[in-house]
Amino acid sequence: EVQLVESGGGLVQPGGSLRLSCAASGITVSSNFMTWVRQAPGEGLEWVSVIYDDGDIYYGDSVKGRFTISRDNSKNTLYLQMNSLRAEDTAVYYCARRSQPSGSFDIWGQGTMVTVSS
Amino acid sequence: DIQMTQSPSSLAASVGDRVTITCRASQSISNYLNWYQQKPGEAPKLLIYRASSLQSGVPSRFSGSGSAGDFTLTISSLQPEDFATYYCQQSYSSPTFGQGTKVEIK
Repeated sequence: EVQLVESGGGLVQPGGSLRLSCAASGITVSSNFMTWVRQAPGEGLEWVSVIYDDGDIYYGDSVKGRFTISRDNSKNTLYLQMNSLRAEDTAVYYCARRSQPSGSFDIWGQGTMVTVSS
Repeated sequence: DIQMTQSPSSLAASVGDRVTITCRASQSISNYLNWYQQKPGEAPKLLIYRASSLQSGVPSRFSGSGSAGDFTLTISSLQPEDFATYYCQQSYSSPTFGQGTKVEIK
């Protein structure tokens, strides 16, 4: 069974850091386009970042310079290192596979909640 | 960034109704348009990709159409499990989503 399981969310103060993890089973993280998508409470979906199978990386404008996406091939796990967190980063963070060539997000994790508050 | 605008933002419908949701892109995106369903407390679920291709396992009452800048998602006969929020997403460039359409019970 294909599964993505996020962890690492929690409460953090403004300016703080947090690292999210997404453990994959049934798919190989390094062979896929893996992404992070977030959803603020009561709001819509926002794409955050992608890492391609060849290692290319891209970020949304709202997190560029503060967030870093990476993967550990030996653990088949995707990460999102979040620094300089702001209140507006409060959201459920989902990892998802970006299917090619459609560019659709066809496999999603259950999400992990990040709350940035003092 | 390409802006995606959905209409309506919400609608009320009855079981058995035909429902249509529209998504408009701020520029041409060919057919790089995907549709998702999201229920409260759950992750989004892919319904339609490349504007009109049905994702495996999705009921055939869901269909998509359109190209360039205007797209529609149609539910031919609304079922109780279809009450949810629906999002469009363009994959022509850096991904962006519509603001969502909430389908509620009439």
